[in-house]
Amino acid sequence: GAVVSQHPSRVICKSGTSVKIECRSLDFQATTMFWYRQFPKQSLMLMATSNEGSKATYEQGVEKDKFLINHASLTLSTLTVTSAHPEDSSFYICSAVGLSGNTIYFGEGSWLTVV
Amino acid sequence: GEDVEQSLFLSVREGDSSVINCTYTDSSSTYLYWYKQEPGAGLQLLTYIFSNMDMKQDQRLTVLLNKKDKHLSLRIADTQTGDSAIYFCAEISNDYKLSFGAGTTVTVRA
Repeated sequence: GAVVSQHPSRVICKSGTSVKIECRSLDFQATTMFWYRQFPKQSLMLMATSNEGSKATYEQGVEKDKFLINHASLTLSTLTVTSAHPEDSSFYICSAVGLSGNTIYFGEGSWLTVV
Repeated sequence: GEDVEQSLFLSVREGDSSVINCTYTDSSSTYLYWYKQEPGAGLQLLTYIFSNMDMKQDQRLTVLLNKKDKHLSLRIADTQTGDSAIYFCAEISNDYKLSFGAGTTVTVRA
């Protein structure tokens, strides 16, 4: 069964609204989670590193005010796409690193469509 | 994934073997991964290999690693229609960030 759960798996939102995606580690604690984005027919690109109890670290070119990341507990990180635009439509996927540091698990991903 | 390179397409006949190749750049990667993505679905970890290994076999899957050339390959024996998907290789940095290749689309024809 899945050890990292993402919710929602699919979401459609109106342009200008905000949408929150959750990434939850189910049976382990994760001090670090990562958020990736995949545009159609492209590879996955790292957006940011989410650290429990501290600010996220964003990759170059990713707007931190648009993609708000909160990692309030050892089992939950959230990505909020603010003022969404159609070009934000993408597949967003998180990964979580176990406390031992030698295992990485991916969530199932969330398909966002902005209309 | 500009540091990880893969061929984009592979067409294979059902029952034949598929070989997907990948080159990476980070020689300090402790693990190298192969993921599978079916249309409209998430990422599925297929297999991984530790950097001090040359080969790993897991049922129909064989991973070969050439550290000198930074070359990784995935061989799928007896390819089935259910193997049609996009396959990503990925390397991992010391801080657990994954860098993915562009993905190889494997099409299995009858």
